[in-house]
Amino acid sequence: DVVMTQSPLSLPVTLGQPASISCRSSQSLVSSDGNTYFIWFQQRPGQSPRRLVYKVSNRDSGVPDRFSGSGSGTDFTLKISRVEAEDVGVYYCMQGSHWPWTFGQGTKVEIK
Amino acid sequence: EVQLVESGGDLVQPGGSLRLTCVASGFTISNYWMIWVRQAPGRGLEWVANINQDGNAKQYVDSVKGRFTISRDNAKNSLYLQMNSLRAEDTAIYYCAKFTRSAGDTYWGQGTLVTVSS
Repeated sequence: DVVMTQSPLSLPVTLGQPASISCRSSQSLVSSDGNTYFIWFQQRPGQSPRRLVYKVSNRDSGVPDRFSGSGSGTDFTLKISRVEAEDVGVYYCMQGSHWPWTFGQGTKVEIK
Repeated sequence: EVQLVESGGDLVQPGGSLRLTCVASGFTISNYWMIWVRQAPGRGLEWVANINQDGNAKQYVDSVKGRFTISRDNAKNSLYLQMNSLRAEDTAIYYCAKFTRSAGDTYWGQGTLVTVSS
């Protein structure tokens, strides 16, 4: 199985400051069809997960443009340009290129 | 309004069975792959199973193969997860979702709690 490793696991941030989460996969996420099915989710406290970014860098509808995804191959990053209070929660990376689809451990974002 | 509502979660003894149901409204599931994902208390997310639009293609994480069965009834706009031979490590909130790896809306239910304990 593809292992997804996130860092850091805990991220205290100051409101208005940037934040960055890294995710590394144990093998290339380029799928047999040429696409890289790498996804970021947000899970706010007490809520179901919500997809933020798909195929590395495409934001879902309604996701603020302060969120951006980047990366390729085995190394990926989610950046929040200016953290707001509503961004508190756990962020998960996920790969959908190889079955079984696997998640990272999660990164807990909290306000300092 | 799009909604996915799971039900069927309960307290069950090890070795027991449960059937989870996910009823969709506001969209027609027949056009989409559907999935089950679970989250053990205080833990991260784990993909459990996928099913394609007509139910002919199914995939499972190794830890549930041979014990869980995903199915769907498009006429009832519903998704199911039959869980047999339950173990303590199956204890989790189970979410159903309309999910795509590419462009397109994704929707999640609120989850249903399965607790396996004697």
